[in-house]
Formats: sequence, C-alpha cells, structure tokens
Amino acid sequence: SQTIHQWPATLVQPVGSPLSLECTVEGTSNPNLYWYRQAAGRGLQLLFYSVGIGQISSEVPQNLSASRPQDRQFILSSKKLLLSDSGFYLCAWSVPSGRRDTQYFGPGTRLTVL
Amino acid sequence: GDSVTQMEGPVTLSEEAFLTINCTYTATGYPSLFWYVQYPGEGLQLLLKATKADDKGSNKGFEATYRKETTSFHLEKGSVQVSDSAVYFCALSDRNTGGFKTIFGAGTRLFVKA
Repeated sequence: SQTIHQWPATLVQPVGSPLSLECTVEGTSNPNLYWYRQAAGRGLQLLFYSVGIGQISSEVPQNLSASRPQDRQFILSSKKLLLSDSGFYLCAWSVPSGRRDTQYFGPGTRLTVL
Repeated sequence: GDSVTQMEGPVTLSEEAFLTINCTYTATGYPSLFWYVQYPGEGLQLLLKATKADDKGSNKGFEATYRKETTSFHLEKGSVQVSDSAVYFCALSDRNTGGFKTIFGAGTRLFVKA
C-alpha cells in the first residue's frame, strides 16, 4: 500500500532563517506531487505541483521554492522566512494517469515563524 | 476558471442532528467531485467522491449526490456524532486542468456537541 511521510511535524523558526520541508511517498511510481499551505482557519492554497523529476510548476509567486530530486521525494524550501510563511504545510500525491483522481495527503508540518 | 463554493462555518449541531453542508461548483468540463475531511492537527483524507452526474458517493454515513443541473454536491448525514467534529472540504478535479490539480473550497468547520 502507498504511504506518504512528511517531516518535521512541527517547526519553529525565526524570521529570515532558511527552511527545508521534506515529503516522501512509498508504494507508487511517478506520482504527481503537490505542496499546499493552510493558514490558520483558512482553506488550502496550492503552492507547487510536480509531474516528474525536476518538473515543478509554481502556483503562487512568493519566497518559497520546491524541488523534486527523486521520483518520490518533494522538498519545499525558502532562503529567508517571513512571518507570513507561518501555517500548516501539506504534501499530497495522486495517480499520474491524467484522470480526475483522488489526492492523498500527508500528516502535515506546522510551521511557526517568529 | 473552475471554482468551488461551500457554506461558511462554523456549523454547530447537537449529537444525532441532521447535517447538510452546501457545496456548489463552476467548471468548464466534466469534473469529479470530492469531499475531504480534516480532523484537528491532521492532514486531509478523502471522505467520498462521485465521478459523473447523478452518482452518489457515500462513506461512514455521509452522502453526497452529484447534481449537474444545479452544479451542486451537498454533503449530508442523518445523525452526526461528536467524533464527526472536523473541517470538511468540497473539491473538484477537472479534465480541463489536465488532471494535475484539484480545486478546494474554503472548508466548513463542524462542531458537534454531546
């Protein structure tokens, strides 16, 4: 069966510090991968998605970036965090069939920028 | 572009009450429709889905029917429990989006009182 992991689960970082969040998927090949952010009490904002190694599409211009160095690994980064980067970050994957399929979410990382 | 609109929360109900959370959508193609649930501190998980008009998705006592004529996918449950307290997200995935992206509503928080 497929599983998705995210770490760390919780992170507190000062403004201006770098960020690296990691997501890995097991049990499937060539998944579509996604990063979402959920601000407190708000809905989901799609940040990035990837359909293959090295292929990243950005939905919202900001100080975050994403990379996919391996088929089942998706990394969210920032060189300098802002207060507004605080939130709950969710990684998700879906079957790469082009069909209108379900997304499977990881447990999330709660980021607090102070 | 495609969009999802769901009723604002929070919704507060007593145990065993009837639940309806309204969801309407706009889409240029023939989307699949989903309800996801998010329990406190966790990622989202699929609750139910429907892939074509008049389909009914159901799971754990929840139901939603894909109504193309009214572009709606309302979530219902006949008797809610305290354990149903969570945030519920309506979503669509449309072939015109290439199957790579899912559009989420803003979420509706449900509180169930004992």
